[in-house]
Amino acid sequence: DGGITQSPKYLFRKEGQNVTLSCEQNLNHDAMYWYRQDPGQGLRLIYYSQIVNDFQKGDIAEGYSVSREKKESFPLTVTSAQKNPTAFYLCASSPSSAGGYTFGSGTRLTVV
Amino acid sequence: AQSVTQPDIHITVSEGASLELRCNYSYGATPYLFWYVQSPGQGLQLLLKYFSGDTLVQGIKGFEAEFKRSQSSFNLRKPSVHWSDAAEYFCAVGEGIASGTYKYIFGTGTRLKVLA
Repeated sequence: DGGITQSPKYLFRKEGQNVTLSCEQNLNHDAMYWYRQDPGQGLRLIYYSQIVNDFQKGDIAEGYSVSREKKESFPLTVTSAQKNPTAFYLCASSPSSAGGYTFGSGTRLTVV
Repeated sequence: AQSVTQPDIHITVSEGASLELRCNYSYGATPYLFWYVQSPGQGLQLLLKYFSGDTLVQGIKGFEAEFKRSQSSFNLRKPSVHWSDAAEYFCAVGEGIASGTYKYIFGTGTRLKVLA
């Protein structure tokens, strides 16, 4: 079955370390997105990519970086510059239409 | 700027009772509107979407929503709630960012509790 796979489900890192969250889709979707979810704040867009080798900053891109070397993959790196990285991170993809997102099951990152 | 407001943070209903979750949006053009549901620790699942046409849209799991342009609303309804409907519900509006590509602006969510 087609879908989006995020790994790992839980991630613990020490403060000051960079960490990379994986997102892979086999839906043949062109666009991919990363959102951050915090309690009471809904989902906020970090980065998005419409095609391979191209990506754009979202509303809260500071302290994050991404790459899109393959259509299927859109990894997110949380850098040490991110002031408050502990959150639930969701990856999504969509076709080149307004059909709605398909979401992954998320990665909960805890920085100690 | 576009925005989505879900005025109810928490809602509690008894099993079998009807449900209405409110959503108001701010968007200049005809909006693309969505409702998603999220179980704890999981991703979001699309319940239904509105692009154009009939203002009453049917979704999965017995949910429906009505688009009211005059009220800038897109409220989600279900005639009889089941215990398995307990979850968090998000309303979203799609904003075009390029030809055929949209980013979605989400509300802050409404957490539904169902009493047995």
